[in-house]
Amino acid sequence: EPEVTQTPSHQVTQMGQEVILRCVPISNHLYFYWYRQILGQKVEFLVSFYNNEISEKSEIFDDQFSVERPDGSNFTLKIRSTKLEDSAMYFCASSDQGARYEQYFGPGTRLTVT
Amino acid sequence: EDKVVQSPLSLVVHEGDTVTLNCSYEVTNFRSLLWYKQEKKAPTFLFMLTSSGIEKKSGRLSSILDKKELFSILNITATQTGDSAIYLCAVEAGGNEKLTFGTGTRLTIIP
Repeated sequence: EPEVTQTPSHQVTQMGQEVILRCVPISNHLYFYWYRQILGQKVEFLVSFYNNEISEKSEIFDDQFSVERPDGSNFTLKIRSTKLEDSAMYFCASSDQGARYEQYFGPGTRLTVT
Repeated sequence: EDKVVQSPLSLVVHEGDTVTLNCSYEVTNFRSLLWYKQEKKAPTFLFMLTSSGIEKKSGRLSSILDKKELFSILNITATQTGDSAIYLCAVEAGGNEKLTFGTGTRLTIIP
C-alpha cells in the first residue's frame, strides 16, 4: 500500500541552526501539507502546497519556515534558525486530486532543539 | 476561530466492551470531518464524513455525522487491545485545505 515517508525519524539540532525535514508524498498525490505536534498538544496545521506554491499557511508558519518541492518526489520543510519552541513532531501529509480532504500522514520527524 | 472539541479526553475499558467517542465542532463553512487513529506516531486515516446521517463502517468501527447538531461519534464494538490509541477528530472548513484537530481521546483497552 502506498505511504508517505519522512526522513530523518529524529533530528537533534542546536538553537539557531537550520534544519531541513524531508518527505516523499504518495506518488500520485498533488496536495501536500506540513503539520506539527508539540509533545502533549494538538496536531497543528502549518502549511499546504499545491501546484508548486503555498496555498495556505498558519500563523505559526512565519518567515523562519519555508517549503519546497525540489523535484518530482520530495517535499521539504526548512526552518532557518531553530528555536527551542520548534521542538515538536513534524508530520507531512498528502492527498489526491479527487479526495483533497482525505489526507494521509507520514510517520513524522521528531525535532529536538537544544 | 475554528474549534474542535473531543470527549472524553481519556477512556479506559475492558476488552470486549463497546466505546463511543465524541467530537463536536464550531467552524465556518464546514466541508468534512475526519477521524484518525494515532498509535505511536503518524495519524492513520479512518473515516471521512461529509453528509449527515450516513453511517460509515469499517469492521468493528463505525462513525456518523450530525451536521445540524455539529457533532460526530466514533463507535468501536468488541474492543481489542490493539484498539488502544489516541483517536483524533479533525475538521476541514471554509474551502481551505487545512485540518483543524481536536485534542484527541486516549483510549486504553485492558485485557
